[in-house]
Amino acid sequence: AQKVTQAQTEISVVEKEDVTLDCVYETRDTTYYLFWYKQPPSGELVFLIRRNSFDEQNEISGRYSWNFQKSTSSFNFTITASQVVDSAVYFCALRRHSGNTPLVFGKGTRLSVIA
Amino acid sequence: DAGVTQSPTHLIKTRGQQVTLRCSPKSGHDTVSWYQQALGQGPQFIFQYYEEEERQRGNFPDRFSGHQFPNYSSELNVNALLLGDSALYLCASSTAESTDTQYFGPGTRLTVL
Repeated sequence: AQKVTQAQTEISVVEKEDVTLDCVYETRDTTYYLFWYKQPPSGELVFLIRRNSFDEQNEISGRYSWNFQKSTSSFNFTITASQVVDSAVYFCALRRHSGNTPLVFGKGTRLSVIA
Repeated sequence: DAGVTQSPTHLIKTRGQQVTLRCSPKSGHDTVSWYQQALGQGPQFIFQYYEEEERQRGNFPDRFSGHQFPNYSSELNVNALLLGDSALYLCASSTAESTDTQYFGPGTRLTVL
């Protein structure tokens, strides 16, 4: 069975602080995909990143960076110099590599960035 | 290029009623997946449609059914509504390729009274 755990339910930071959102996953598959989605108050899930399990390179996109460590089954997400517009619920998700299989989501982390 | 669209935005129903939610996938996408997101939870997979057939299904009762049309749009039907069906219903579209990412619509918020 697949499972995603986001232990941080809510995080509150002051604008310009760095913040890391944790994601730990469980799967018996040797190949899989990991995702992060952002859900602003409007409700739409916005795709942020997809990582293939055999690509352990960390990735940076502007103020966003992702740290994938297969050895610890973690895929953490860091926002540098946070902004108020980053306030949202962030979801980590996992899916099998083969076929267009469904996403398994964590429960999400609510991030509040205070001006 | 239009993204995934869903209608209606909000819906209020009473217990026992039936509801139909609609989804139009992103241009170029042929696969539609439906998810239910209860308050404070992550989305849960309901089912997926491809080539007008249900291809995969999550752990949801038969009260939840769907349909996909030749233009790839999809409907989610829920019969005999329960209070516990109150949730945000999200539609995601993708291609059938195993590498493809699912892109989500804005959702339909269903309230059952």
